[in-house]
Amino acid sequence: GAGVSQSPRYKVAKRGQDVALRCDPISGHVSLFWYQQALGQGPEFLTYFQNEAQLDKSGLPSDRFFAERPEGSVSTLKIQRTQQEDSAVYLCASSLAALGTGELFFGEGSRLTVL
Amino acid sequence: DAKTTQPNSMESNEEEPVHLPCNHSTISGTDYIHWYRQLPSQGPEYVIHGLTSNVNNRMASLAIAEDRKSSTLILHRATLRDAAVYYCILRRVSGNEKLTFGTGTRLTIIP
Repeated sequence: GAGVSQSPRYKVAKRGQDVALRCDPISGHVSLFWYQQALGQGPEFLTYFQNEAQLDKSGLPSDRFFAERPEGSVSTLKIQRTQQEDSAVYLCASSLAALGTGELFFGEGSRLTVL
Repeated sequence: DAKTTQPNSMESNEEEPVHLPCNHSTISGTDYIHWYRQLPSQGPEYVIHGLTSNVNNRMASLAIAEDRKSSTLILHRATLRDAAVYYCILRRVSGNEKLTFGTGTRLTIIP
């Protein structure tokens, strides 16, 4: 498809398990963002890539969260030793431009439930 | 990024215009005003953005106050599919690239 694709759409994990969430951005998009959205809240910024470079990871809540984009296209958000407070929808967005006025295209998100 | 203030919720009748307000009194000269909306169970969707002049596109219009301390998103003829949370966001052109979402305005359309 032409949009941002995220997988899995739904993930249930037991507390303490590791999870990996995948994002396929729109082809050719330079910028890639990860957001976390708790129920009833607006999306919260996690991290930003420009091509393969992670330029901002100020929103990652702890060192259990790790993101990569090794070839400047697909990105993976990994959460180690999941906790119940990690339950949320994780949104990925991509943008063609590196500058700040470009439109962000969001995927439908990956809903993580930690039991 | 500077902060925005929006009403928590609004209601509008179907097929009538909707004016969604946003206050951003601390906006700087390099901040663009962006609007996104989020339909239920979907990711946010770009609506419109502007700097100083009013802007129109196929989805909506953006009216920006002369002092830029407030703006209004206008949906000219609301449909049931416009029911969503609408986010008003300030985004600097250079430097930090992220969008900072607030809690937005939940728009309910009454049939």
